[in-house]
Amino acid sequence: QSVLTQPASASGTPGQRVTISCSGSSSNIETNFVYWYQQLPGTAPKLLIYRNNQRPSGVPDRFSGSKSGTSASLAISGLRSEDEADYYCATWDDSLSGGSVVFGGGTKLTVL
Amino acid sequence: EVQVLESGGGLVQPGGSLRLSCAASGFTFSAYAMTWVRQAPGKGLEWVSSISGSGGSTFYADSVKGRFTISRDNSKNTLYLQMNSLRAEDTAVYYCAKEALRWELLGYFEYWGQGTLVTVSS
Repeated sequence: QSVLTQPASASGTPGQRVTISCSGSSSNIETNFVYWYQQLPGTAPKLLIYRNNQRPSGVPDRFSGSKSGTSASLAISGLRSEDEADYYCATWDDSLSGGSVVFGGGTKLTVL
Repeated sequence: EVQVLESGGGLVQPGGSLRLSCAASGFTFSAYAMTWVRQAPGKGLEWVSSISGSGGSTFYADSVKGRFTISRDNSKNTLYLQMNSLRAEDTAVYYCAKEALRWELLGYFEYWGQGTLVTVSS
Protein backbone atom coordinates (compact mmCIF):
# COMPACT_ATOMS: atom_id res chain seq x y z
CA GLN A 1 0.00 0.00 0.00
CA SER A 2 1.34 3.41 -0.99
CA VAL A 3 1.57 6.23 1.54
CA LEU A 4 -0.09 8.53 -0.99
CA THR A 5 -3.42 7.42 -2.44
CA GLN A 6 -4.28 7.88 -6.11
CA PRO A 7 -7.09 6.38 -8.18
CA ALA A 8 -5.80 3.43 -10.16
CA SER A 9 -7.30 4.70 -13.39
CA ALA A 10 -8.80 7.72 -15.07
CA SER A 11 -10.12 8.34 -18.55
CA GLY A 12 -11.43 11.00 -20.87
CA THR A 13 -12.08 11.81 -24.48
CA PRO A 14 -9.95 14.17 -26.56
CA GLY A 15 -10.54 17.78 -25.55
CA GLN A 16 -11.96 16.94 -22.14
CA ARG A 17 -10.58 17.96 -18.77
CA VAL A 18 -9.58 15.26 -16.31
CA THR A 19 -8.30 15.47 -12.77
CA ILE A 20 -6.22 13.02 -10.78
CA SER A 21 -6.24 13.20 -7.01
CA CYS A 22 -3.49 12.41 -4.54
CA SER A 23 -4.36 12.01 -0.87
CA GLY A 24 -1.81 12.06 1.91
CA SER A 25 -1.47 13.22 5.49
CA SER A 26 -0.08 15.88 7.79
CA SER A 27 3.38 14.35 7.67
CA ASN A 28 3.71 14.56 3.90
CA ILE A 29 1.45 16.56 1.59
CA GLU A 30 0.25 19.06 4.19
CA THR A 31 3.76 20.19 5.09
CA ASN A 32 5.79 19.59 1.93
CA PHE A 33 5.69 20.40 -1.74
CA VAL A 34 4.03 17.96 -4.12
CA TYR A 35 5.56 16.81 -7.39
CA TRP A 36 3.91 15.06 -10.31
CA TYR A 37 5.60 12.71 -12.75
CA GLN A 38 4.41 11.44 -16.10
CA GLN A 39 5.56 8.05 -17.33
CA LEU A 40 4.87 7.24 -20.94
CA PRO A 41 4.82 3.53 -21.83
CA GLY A 42 8.28 2.00 -21.81
CA THR A 43 10.06 5.17 -20.70
CA ALA A 44 11.51 6.69 -17.55
CA PRO A 45 9.36 9.06 -15.48
CA LYS A 46 9.44 12.74 -16.38
CA LEU A 47 8.87 15.70 -14.07
CA LEU A 48 5.53 17.30 -14.90
CA ILE A 49 4.73 19.60 -11.95
CA TYR A 50 6.96 20.87 -9.14
CA ARG A 51 6.27 22.83 -5.96
CA ASN A 52 2.56 21.95 -6.10
CA ASN A 53 1.69 23.98 -9.19
CA GLN A 54 4.78 24.96 -11.18
CA ARG A 55 5.50 23.64 -14.66
CA PRO A 56 9.04 22.97 -15.89
CA SER A 57 9.87 24.59 -19.18
CA GLY A 58 8.49 22.56 -22.05
CA VAL A 59 5.47 21.24 -20.18
CA PRO A 60 2.28 22.53 -21.82
CA ASP A 61 0.01 24.79 -19.78
CA ARG A 62 -2.73 22.20 -20.27
CA PHE A 63 -1.19 20.57 -17.20
CA SER A 64 -1.80 22.20 -13.83
CA GLY A 65 -1.37 21.23 -10.20
CA SER A 66 -2.95 22.30 -6.95
CA LYS A 67 -2.77 21.45 -3.27
CA SER A 68 -5.11 21.92 -0.34
CA GLY A 69 -4.45 20.54 3.11
CA THR A 70 -3.52 16.88 2.87
CA SER A 71 -4.54 16.45 -0.78
CA ALA A 72 -3.24 17.46 -4.16
CA SER A 73 -4.58 17.28 -7.68
CA LEU A 74 -3.30 17.20 -11.22
CA ALA A 75 -5.57 18.58 -13.91
CA ILE A 76 -5.17 18.02 -17.63
CA SER A 77 -7.28 20.14 -19.91
CA GLY A 78 -7.73 19.79 -23.65
CA LEU A 79 -6.91 16.09 -23.37
CA ARG A 80 -4.79 14.68 -26.19
CA SER A 81 -3.98 11.12 -27.19
CA GLU A 82 -0.33 11.63 -26.28
CA ASP A 83 -1.34 12.29 -22.67
CA GLU A 84 -2.09 8.59 -22.28
CA ALA A 85 0.39 7.59 -19.60
CA ASP A 86 0.85 6.76 -15.94
CA TYR A 87 0.89 9.68 -13.51
CA TYR A 88 2.48 9.67 -10.07
CA CYS A 89 2.41 12.16 -7.22
CA ALA A 90 5.37 12.37 -4.85
CA THR A 91 6.50 14.32 -1.82
CA TRP A 92 8.75 14.15 1.22
CA ASP A 93 7.39 12.44 4.32
CA ASP A 94 8.61 13.49 7.74
CA SER A 95 7.15 10.61 9.73
CA LEU A 96 9.90 8.01 9.42
CA SER A 97 13.28 8.43 11.08
CA GLY A 98 15.13 10.96 8.98
CA GLY A 99 12.27 11.16 6.50
CA SER A 100 11.64 9.53 3.15
CA VAL A 101 10.37 10.20 -0.35
CA VAL A 102 6.88 8.79 -0.89
CA PHE A 103 5.05 8.13 -4.14
CA GLY A 104 1.42 7.57 -4.93
CA GLY A 105 0.46 4.23 -6.42
CA GLY A 106 0.05 5.80 -9.84
CA THR A 107 -2.93 6.56 -12.07
CA LYS A 108 -3.21 5.09 -15.53
CA LEU A 109 -4.80 7.67 -17.81
CA THR A 110 -6.64 6.36 -20.85
CA VAL A 111 -7.68 8.66 -23.69
CA LEU A 112 -10.79 7.13 -25.18
CA GLU B 1 23.77 18.58 -20.84
CA VAL B 2 22.81 16.69 -17.71
CA GLN B 3 23.00 12.93 -18.02
CA VAL B 4 22.59 10.07 -15.56
CA LEU B 5 23.25 6.57 -16.80
CA GLU B 6 22.65 3.42 -14.80
CA SER B 7 24.48 0.12 -15.23
CA GLY B 8 25.05 -3.13 -13.40
CA GLY B 9 21.67 -4.77 -13.63
CA GLY B 10 21.24 -8.42 -14.49
CA LEU B 11 20.04 -11.82 -13.36
CA VAL B 12 20.98 -12.90 -9.84
CA GLN B 13 19.89 -15.78 -7.66
CA PRO B 14 17.91 -15.24 -4.46
CA GLY B 15 20.30 -14.45 -1.64
CA GLY B 16 22.86 -13.07 -4.05
CA SER B 17 24.39 -9.62 -4.42
CA LEU B 18 24.63 -7.00 -7.12
CA ARG B 19 26.05 -3.48 -7.33
CA LEU B 20 24.39 -0.86 -9.47
CA SER B 21 26.20 2.24 -10.69
CA CYS B 22 24.92 5.56 -11.96
CA ALA B 23 27.37 7.71 -13.90
CA ALA B 24 26.49 11.39 -13.85
CA SER B 25 27.67 14.27 -16.01
CA GLY B 26 26.79 17.83 -16.91
CA PHE B 27 26.41 19.19 -13.36
CA THR B 28 28.33 19.63 -10.11
CA PHE B 29 27.68 16.13 -8.82
CA SER B 30 28.73 16.75 -5.21
CA ALA B 31 26.16 19.54 -4.78
CA TYR B 32 23.12 17.37 -5.39
CA ALA B 33 21.39 14.61 -3.50
CA MET B 34 20.79 11.49 -5.55
CA THR B 35 18.13 8.82 -5.27
CA TRP B 36 17.37 5.28 -6.42
CA VAL B 37 13.76 4.56 -7.38
CA ARG B 38 12.57 1.14 -8.55
CA GLN B 39 9.62 -0.16 -10.49
CA ALA B 40 8.60 -3.81 -10.35
CA PRO B 41 7.12 -5.24 -13.56
CA GLY B 42 3.67 -3.77 -14.11
CA LYS B 43 3.79 -1.87 -10.81
CA GLY B 44 4.24 1.69 -9.64
CA LEU B 45 7.28 3.68 -8.58
CA GLU B 46 8.87 2.85 -5.24
CA TRP B 47 11.48 5.02 -3.53
CA VAL B 48 14.47 2.88 -2.49
CA SER B 49 17.21 5.11 -1.10
CA SER B 50 18.65 8.61 -1.17
CA ILE B 51 22.01 10.15 -0.32
CA SER B 52 23.04 13.73 0.31
CA GLY B 53 25.54 15.49 -1.90
CA SER B 54 28.40 14.97 0.52
CA GLY B 55 27.41 11.37 1.16
CA GLY B 56 27.12 12.07 4.86
CA SER B 57 23.39 11.42 5.07
CA THR B 58 21.63 8.35 3.74
CA PHE B 59 18.00 7.27 3.78
CA TYR B 60 16.41 3.89 3.07
CA ALA B 61 12.99 2.43 2.54
CA ASP B 62 12.05 -0.12 5.18
CA SER B 63 11.85 -2.79 2.48
CA VAL B 64 15.60 -2.57 1.80
CA LYS B 65 17.04 -1.33 5.09
CA GLY B 66 19.86 -3.56 6.27
CA ARG B 67 20.24 -5.19 2.86
CA PHE B 68 21.01 -2.30 0.49
CA THR B 69 23.71 0.35 0.85
CA ILE B 70 23.76 3.59 -1.09
CA SER B 71 27.04 5.41 -1.61
CA ARG B 72 28.70 7.87 -3.95
CA ASP B 73 32.16 8.72 -5.20
CA ASN B 74 32.16 12.44 -5.92
CA SER B 75 35.61 12.24 -7.49
CA LYS B 76 34.17 9.88 -10.11
CA ASN B 77 30.70 11.50 -10.36
CA THR B 78 29.18 8.11 -9.68
CA LEU B 79 26.36 6.87 -7.48
CA TYR B 80 26.16 3.27 -6.29
CA LEU B 81 23.65 0.87 -4.83
CA GLN B 82 25.06 -2.27 -3.23
CA MET B 83 22.29 -4.83 -3.00
CA ASN B 84 22.76 -7.88 -0.77
CA SER B 85 20.48 -10.74 0.29
CA LEU B 86 18.38 -10.18 -2.79
CA ARG B 87 14.83 -11.48 -2.91
CA ALA B 88 12.41 -12.18 -5.73
CA GLU B 89 10.45 -9.08 -4.72
CA ASP B 90 13.50 -6.93 -5.47
CA THR B 91 13.02 -7.69 -9.17
CA ALA B 92 12.50 -4.30 -10.82
CA VAL B 93 13.86 -1.64 -13.08
CA TYR B 94 16.09 0.57 -10.94
CA TYR B 95 16.24 4.27 -11.82
CA CYS B 96 18.81 6.79 -10.71
CA ALA B 97 17.37 10.28 -10.20
CA LYS B 98 18.93 13.69 -9.57
CA GLU B 99 17.40 16.23 -7.20
CA ALA B 100 16.63 19.56 -8.81
CA LEU B 101 17.90 21.83 -6.05
CA ARG B 102 21.40 22.03 -4.62
CA TRP B 103 21.78 20.73 -1.07
CA GLU B 104 18.11 19.63 -0.88
CA LEU B 105 16.33 16.27 -0.71
CA LEU B 106 12.66 16.76 -1.53
CA GLY B 107 11.56 14.14 -4.04
CA TYR B 108 12.00 16.83 -6.72
CA PHE B 109 13.64 14.78 -9.46
CA GLU B 110 14.37 16.76 -12.59
CA TYR B 111 16.51 14.13 -14.29
CA TRP B 112 16.10 10.37 -14.44
CA GLY B 113 18.22 7.70 -16.03
CA GLN B 114 16.81 5.15 -18.42
CA GLY B 115 16.87 2.44 -15.75
CA THR B 116 18.61 -0.91 -15.34
CA LEU B 117 16.73 -4.17 -14.88
CA VAL B 118 17.47 -6.39 -11.91
CA THR B 119 15.96 -9.88 -11.99
CA VAL B 120 16.16 -12.06 -8.90
CA SER B 121 15.38 -15.63 -9.82
CA SER B 122 16.76 -19.13 -9.54
